[in-house]
Amino acid sequence: SQELEQSPQSLIVQEGKNLTINCTSSKTLYGLYWYKQKYGEGLIFLMMLQKGGEEKSHEKITAKLDEKKQQSSLHITASQPSHAGIYLCGAPSGGAQKLVFGQGTRLTINP
Amino acid sequence: DGGITQSPKYLFRKEGQNVTLSCEQNLNHDAMYWYRQDPGQGLRLIYYSHIVNDFQKGDIAEGYSVSREKKESFPLTVTSAQKNPTAFYLCASSIEGRAGGTTSTDTQYFGPGTRLTVL
Repeated sequence: SQELEQSPQSLIVQEGKNLTINCTSSKTLYGLYWYKQKYGEGLIFLMMLQKGGEEKSHEKITAKLDEKKQQSSLHITASQPSHAGIYLCGAPSGGAQKLVFGQGTRLTINP
Repeated sequence: DGGITQSPKYLFRKEGQNVTLSCEQNLNHDAMYWYRQDPGQGLRLIYYSHIVNDFQKGDIAEGYSVSREKKESFPLTVTSAQKNPTAFYLCASSIEGRAGGTTSTDTQYFGPGTRLTVL
């Protein structure tokens, strides 16, 4: 079965700094979803990538899927307190009728 | 406003009790899902349904039951057979759950979650 590994598991950065979160798959990715979660709340959809080499941006967040479609990265430029939370990657698995998720990366932004 | 609602936000259960978590969506989505989230872990799929009156077990269905009598509603019952039910439960929906051997899937949108604690 497909497994997703996120790194780092937690990250503390100073406000204004750039950061990158990685998501590595045990199998070829046929889609990769990035979500953000505030503690104790639901997941908010950020972006979906499907093609090798694809890159998408929304405000200061950029997500990329590598050419081999086994790794994705999420990059935040000039981090702000509003970026704090848990970031999760998810991918279709088991005949595309469900998503499997990485364990999440907890991001803390220090003022 | 269209969206997914879950209730209650917090739920406490005594040993041996069954409890039911509510999930409602007004997005006109065909597919609905239940996930469980434990501290420091990602989400694990409990049950999913792609159409009314049909549902399938996910990876950790033991001790849980669901029904899908209406398109808008997908309640989850946590039974006394679930040995470790304390967790954060998330409901999601998508336009449709792709089937037929395809490798793509529709974006899933999530509700605000229910935190269940066993006393």
